Amino acid sequence: SQQGEEDPQALSIQEGENATMNCSYKTSINNLQWYRQNSGRGLVHLILIRSNEREKHSGRLRVTLDTSKKSSSLLITASRAADTASYFCATDPTLNQGGKLIFGQGTELSVKP
Amino acid sequence: DTAVSQTPKYLVTQMGNDKSIKCEQNLGHDTMYWYKQDSKKFLKIMFSYNNKELIINETVPNRFSPKSPDKAHLNLHINSLELGDSAVYFCASTFGNSGNTIYFGEGSWLTVV
Repeated sequence: SQQGEEDPQALSIQEGENATMNCSYKTSINNLQWYRQNSGRGLVHLILIRSNEREKHSGRLRVTLDTSKKSSSLLITASRAADTASYFCATDPTLNQGGKLIFGQGTELSVKP
Repeated sequence: DTAVSQTPKYLVTQMGNDKSIKCEQNLGHDTMYWYKQDSKKFLKIMFSYNNKELIINETVPNRFSPKSPDKAHLNLHINSLELGDSAVYFCASTFGNSGNTIYFGEGSWLTVV
């Protein structure tokens, strides 16, 4: 299977703490993307990191990519209750057919006020 | 000014019925998708269309038939609904075939009873 695996499956933290989520994948990729899904809503794109990049920042988000270990992490700093959501990594495989992104099963983040 | 809109949002129907979910995007994208999200939040691609042409057809029962009248619309028709079809169906769109950022609709919650 080419699916990404996310770790942990669920994470509960206090407001103000940092949250780290990890994603591992199996095949070589062109890029890796992170998406957020609020309860009952669609997925929203957060950040894209290309295979030749090692780290990328966007506001309170920091993403790292280690292609040798086929893994990525998403760090949310100074978390807020509004960050409560499911977070998914998605990979664009090098041998991509039709622009298909492969999604992991997500990490459910709960930020308690 | 919703970017990717799909209807209906909720659908409860009996086994054996035929139903359709409609999707429209106003982003000018040329690629549209249907994804299925199961109860464990696993997101799996079903179909992909580029400029009205079928690009990806994953292993989906023949009861599922997508139709793209133009590149801004991708509808999903399901015949002879089964209990296992209960899921959330997401329409999405992007530019091109090469793993770009995907924009998702808000989802259609299908319950088969």
